[in-house]
Amino acid sequence: QVQLQESGPGLVKPSETLSLTCTVTGYSITSGYYWGWIRQPPGKGLEWIGSIFHSGEAYYNPSLTNQVSISISTSKNQFSLKLSSVTAADTALYYCVTTAGVWFDPWGQGILVTVSS
Amino acid sequence: EIVLTQSPGTLSLSPGERATLSCRASQTVGSSYLAWYQQKPGQAPRLLIYGASSRAPGIPDRFSGSGSGADFTLTISRLEPEDFAVYYCQQYGSSPAYTFGQGTKLEFK
Repeated sequence: QVQLQESGPGLVKPSETLSLTCTVTGYSITSGYYWGWIRQPPGKGLEWIGSIFHSGEAYYNPSLTNQVSISISTSKNQFSLKLSSVTAADTALYYCVTTAGVWFDPWGQGILVTVSS
Repeated sequence: EIVLTQSPGTLSLSPGERATLSCRASQTVGSSYLAWYQQKPGQAPRLLIYGASSRAPGIPDRFSGSGSGADFTLTISRLEPEDFAVYYCQQYGSSPAYTFGQGTKLEFK
């Protein structure tokens, strides 16, 4: 059974880079599926950030393309998110997710990242 | 970009009643590409329905999805206390690859 767990700092300063890692257990990241990130500002809806295949092929939400980078570490069975030049608008719960292509299941429990000085 | 509009924004019902939630797309969405999620406070969303009408494993049969084209519906036949939550629809398609509706909050009447 695939399980996902986010980790990383809960507080990031404005203009800096947000970095999160998702550790996958119960499944080899190289066996298939896309691995991705979704965020949810406090009290608001869901926004897909981007996804990556185990080959390293990644695709992003065009609204975030200039800010975002997703990478994969097959040796650690992890994938990571970097979001540069963050502002208060990037404060959100960040979820790592997996998808066979169309829907997202399962989800990690989420990690709250606050952008503040 | 395909915009998904969910209605109503809030639905107030009592346990035992039937809930009907709507998701309308700004363009045609392939039926295979529409999913529904349930999110309870403090929890991650959980997949309920995929392919517009297929229940995810472990989802009770009181949950059903229907629709095609640009109009989709999530129906909960008889509400249980644990069903009061926020529900999101999601589509896969043109850029951006994935978009979500703004959510319908199902609350106790």
